[in-house]
Amino acid sequence: GENVEQHPSTLSVQEGDSAVIKCTYSDSASNYFPWYKQELGKRPQLIIDIRSNVGEKKDQRIAVTLNKTAKHFSLHITETQPEDSAVYFCAASSNFGNEKLTFGTGTRLTIIP
Amino acid sequence: DVKVTQSSRYLVKRTGEKVFLECVQDMDHENMFWYRQDPGLGLRLIYFSYDVKMKEKGDIPEGYSVSREKKERFSLILESASTNQTSMYLCASSLPNPTLQETQYFGPGTRLLVL
Repeated sequence: GENVEQHPSTLSVQEGDSAVIKCTYSDSASNYFPWYKQELGKRPQLIIDIRSNVGEKKDQRIAVTLNKTAKHFSLHITETQPEDSAVYFCAASSNFGNEKLTFGTGTRLTIIP
Repeated sequence: DVKVTQSSRYLVKRTGEKVFLECVQDMDHENMFWYRQDPGLGLRLIYFSYDVKMKEKGDIPEGYSVSREKKERFSLILESASTNQTSMYLCASSLPNPTLQETQYFGPGTRLLVL
């Protein structure tokens, strides 16, 4: 089955700086890669996703890149703000999400004011 | 606005008790999922369902069963609760593949403590 590894497990950045979270996956058939954000005490919510036919996707201050050859994908947050503090999860799926999502272990991002 | 609700936010049960966790979604989603969330382990899939009366095992189904008698409701059952099932349980739902709107929408979670 799929295995998703996520690094780092914790990340602290100064407000205004950029944050990068990296994930690798094992199943070359995976073709859908969402990122979820979970604020303290709240449910995970999708913030951005990318499909295997695209190398990069951007939405305001967040972007995701995908390297299919290397089987890794990354989340980039620029101009970080205190409200970006949360746990971020990457995930991978082999059937555009209809099949089960395999999640990474999460990254706790702390933005230092 | 998608709404996924779970029957309880907090539950305390004793070892050996049968525990029911209920999840309801109001968006007519075909797919429903049960995860448990533990520190350092992320979200792990317990069971999922693509349709009424249909279920498939996820990565960690041992000690759990599920029931989906109606499209909007997906129940997780702990047949005989054990202390190692103390965890946060999250339900999610999504539309099926061909719609390409497969975002999983999560419920607020149920924090279960088994004593």
